[in-house]
Amino acid sequence: DAGVTQSPTHLIKTRGQHVTLRCSPISGHKSVSWYQQVLGQGPQFIFQYYEKEERGRGNFPDRFSARQFPNYSSELNVNALLLGDSALYLCASSWWGTTSNYGYTFGSGTRLTVV
Amino acid sequence: GQQVMQIPQYQHVQEGEDFTTYCNSSTTLSNIQWYKQRPGGHPVFLIQLVKSGEVKKQKRLTFQFGEAKKNSSLHITATQTTDVGTYFCAGLAYNTDKLIFGTGTRLQVFP
Repeated sequence: DAGVTQSPTHLIKTRGQHVTLRCSPISGHKSVSWYQQVLGQGPQFIFQYYEKEERGRGNFPDRFSARQFPNYSSELNVNALLLGDSALYLCASSWWGTTSNYGYTFGSGTRLTVV
Repeated sequence: GQQVMQIPQYQHVQEGEDFTTYCNSSTTLSNIQWYKQRPGGHPVFLIQLVKSGEVKKQKRLTFQFGEAKKNSSLHITATQTTDVGTYFCAGLAYNTDKLIFGTGTRLQVFP
């Protein structure tokens, strides 16, 4: 069974551009969460979706948006990129959102570099 | 907003020594989870604690959830080089769907 799949794995963008990151959860998982991890720091919560509805939003500007599709895959969009958006973007899936005894399964992430 | 802090930030130990990382939340938690992230990797789920005062063991790893459900600890007995990585706690406050990660403790084990 495939794990959490994220694409692309690496991305270089210019300041001001837009980026779309994609995530496919484990089959059967209905919840997807997005995290931003800057080198040397812990993952910072961006969004959580469960059954295609936004269930939580972190302290990120409106330039960050996301959605979950009927097949439970998800996209994270970031507009007007800033140098400070350079980070590893992690997607995590789970059965029941944040209360699963199995925790979150993370993808390998998308490394975004803004130049 | 909710904050989750961990100490120490770094820990270097000789192989065979014990290791403990402590996690403190600014708010009372519904549950707490622990993850391990190897260098260059992604977080991997270790365990979830739900009950006040709960203690769980996984081989050489012992996890505790505080009585007030605001703190937790992870203790590794007789560390091995395979234990190298960063250990994160992640807390879920009541009435929220935000799993907030701690600042992490980076463990280095010297053979």
